[in-house]
Amino acid sequence: EIVLTQSPGTLSLSPGERATLSCRASQSVSSSYLAWYQQKPGQAPRLLIYGASSRATGIPDRFSGSGSGTDFTLTISRLEPEDFAVYYCQQYSSSPAFGGGTKVEIK
Amino acid sequence: QVQLQESGPGLVKPSETLSLTCTVSGYSISSGYYWGWIRQPPGKGLEWIGSIYHSGNTYYNPSLNSRFTMSVDTSKNQFSLKLSSVTAADTAVYYCARVVRSSSGWLDPWGRGTLVAVSS
Repeated sequence: EIVLTQSPGTLSLSPGERATLSCRASQSVSSSYLAWYQQKPGQAPRLLIYGASSRATGIPDRFSGSGSGTDFTLTISRLEPEDFAVYYCQQYSSSPAFGGGTKVEIK
Repeated sequence: QVQLQESGPGLVKPSETLSLTCTVSGYSISSGYYWGWIRQPPGKGLEWIGSIYHSGNTYYNPSLNSRFTMSVDTSKNQFSLKLSSVTAADTAVYYCARVVRSSSGWLDPWGRGTLVAVSS
């Protein structure tokens, strides 16, 4: 079973700043089978990134994913007001599982 | 576009069986893809429950116990989830979603979710 650990738990930033979110796997995630989701309060998660670096349809290019093996990163180049939310990573290399989430809050 | 909508009781008594249905619109589930269930306890993270194909093939999260059962009704373009012997720990928002890339890929799109509380 691959366990995903996201850090930091909370990221306090201002609009316009760059956000860097980390997702570390307990074992290698083969073929970069990793996705990122955004969840706002009271809403379902929304797919942002799949295959570690491919943006989903309609996702702005300020969102980018990178990484391989056990270390993955979601970067938001310039935070917009609507980007403040909780972000989850998910691996589908083996039995699918989610990370614990990172909350991006307004500083 | 593909849309999913969960339905079911908002309140279930302990030890009873929870039944949820996901209705898919804008896409025939017989055309392909696996269709999945995910849950999220209040204030906590996401947990993958399992996925089902239109043929009835299923994939269950091996980390969960065997109380979950999924089924599919292609004539209604729906798939369902049953959870037996519920306890308060099963209180959660239950989401359905389309699974992209086999039985355990990424999830897109998601339904809006339905909150199920287990209480007497």
